[in-house]
Amino acid sequence: GAVVSQHPSRVICKSGTSVKIECRSLDFQATTMFWYRQFPKKSLMLMATSNEGSKATYEQGVEKDKFLINHASLTLSTLTVTSAHPEDSSFYICSARDAGTSGGVFGPGTRLTVT
Amino acid sequence: KQEVTQIPAALSVPEGENLVLNCSFTDSAIYNLQWFRQDPGKGLTSLLLIQSSQREQTSGRLNASLDKSSGRSTLYIAASQPGDSATYLCAGANAGNNRKLIWGLGTSLAVNP
Repeated sequence: GAVVSQHPSRVICKSGTSVKIECRSLDFQATTMFWYRQFPKKSLMLMATSNEGSKATYEQGVEKDKFLINHASLTLSTLTVTSAHPEDSSFYICSARDAGTSGGVFGPGTRLTVT
Repeated sequence: KQEVTQIPAALSVPEGENLVLNCSFTDSAIYNLQWFRQDPGKGLTSLLLIQSSQREQTSGRLNASLDKSSGRSTLYIAASQPGDSATYLCAGANAGNNRKLIWGLGTSLAVNP
């Protein structure tokens, strides 16, 4: 079946640094990718939607200059958390979907801890 | 605007019980509805996806139903096992707008041996 990977699975960084998270669709072409963040014991919060080759569409309240999303190919999207702060610590999950399917395939998530 | 609600927020049952998790949504123009499972600290596993034209989907001990007119979906788990303990999330997608998912807050299920 379709698989989405995320790298890294865990990352610890210092405040003020930037962190890049990769989301890859391994055996299908992802025309659309979604980025979510999840706070402890909370549901997922959609951050942005990206279509391959286009600029990402950010949800209200999400700073596009802080959370940079690039979807340069049909199999790879990246989320860069710039100038990370402790409040950016969270679980980040991506989901990928190709043009012909109804549902998305979710990655295993990336646990970001900013110290 | 689509809103998704899940009841109960938490559920604890003894092993072997059949149980029902509820999900309600406000906009009947739903494109599809999905049920997911999430284990602590882990990503999401898609369990069942029901298209708007379907009434139910089954996979093993799981059965999910969709009633658009009442704005409800249920996830039925038969003969629950301790391994079923997890958080169960439902999410609805509307047509258009990239069919982005609107999420419920989940039901935390504990199946006790």
